Amino acid sequence: QQQVKQSPQSLIVQKGGISIINCAYENTAFDYFPWYQQFPGKGPALLIAIRPDVSEKKEGRFTISFNKSAKQFSLHIMDSQPGDSATYFCAASMDSNYQLIWGAGTKLIIKP
Amino acid sequence: NAGVTQTPKFQVLKTGQSMTLQCAQDMNHEYMSWYRQDPGMGLRLIHYSVGAGITDQGEVPNGYNVSRSTTEDFPLRLLSAAPSQTSVYFCASSYSRWTSGVAYEQYFGPGTRLTVT
Repeated sequence: QQQVKQSPQSLIVQKGGISIINCAYENTAFDYFPWYQQFPGKGPALLIAIRPDVSEKKEGRFTISFNKSAKQFSLHIMDSQPGDSATYFCAASMDSNYQLIWGAGTKLIIKP
Repeated sequence: NAGVTQTPKFQVLKTGQSMTLQCAQDMNHEYMSWYRQDPGMGLRLIHYSVGAGITDQGEVPNGYNVSRSTTEDFPLRLLSAAPSQTSVYFCASSYSRWTSGVAYEQYFGPGTRLTVT
């Protein structure tokens, strides 16, 4: 019940296309859903996050879509660029517990 | 601010050897944690601390020890290295309390790549 399932494991998208990464969770007590971006040789860094009181959050080319009833959330990268090539992790946590439960990660490659 | 620093960046150990991975942060964060990252398995929590003198186990604590004598430092000790501990280790820190529904961001160090032969 504590798991966060992330898919796909890897993704190749053409430059200018839309990249979509999906995550699903079981624990309805989760109320914070961040996405982290990790470049090779670096630690992960927070990209964007959402709380379940909204269905969508957009920051530049990055959008989180949240479906509370389906217990799913996804990251959309519009106009994907080669510089977006990285590993993306979804995560979840509860207000009462600041520890993050992590998805397994998606390696994204944007082809020029 | 240097943020979260980790040393060393790379380390090779022989089975049975012990060593300490160092982690320090200069942001006055209460919460610090150690993760290991293995291909296809995401980030797994080893140990964490919510303040000086307070530590607890995460998902995969066996073979590792931690202590937190100061707010800034959170070293990870490998007691007797095994090939299964070959991994990339990340230290992270954040404020430990939510305020007005705002969750605090976790800041990660650059990682230590450990190989045990």
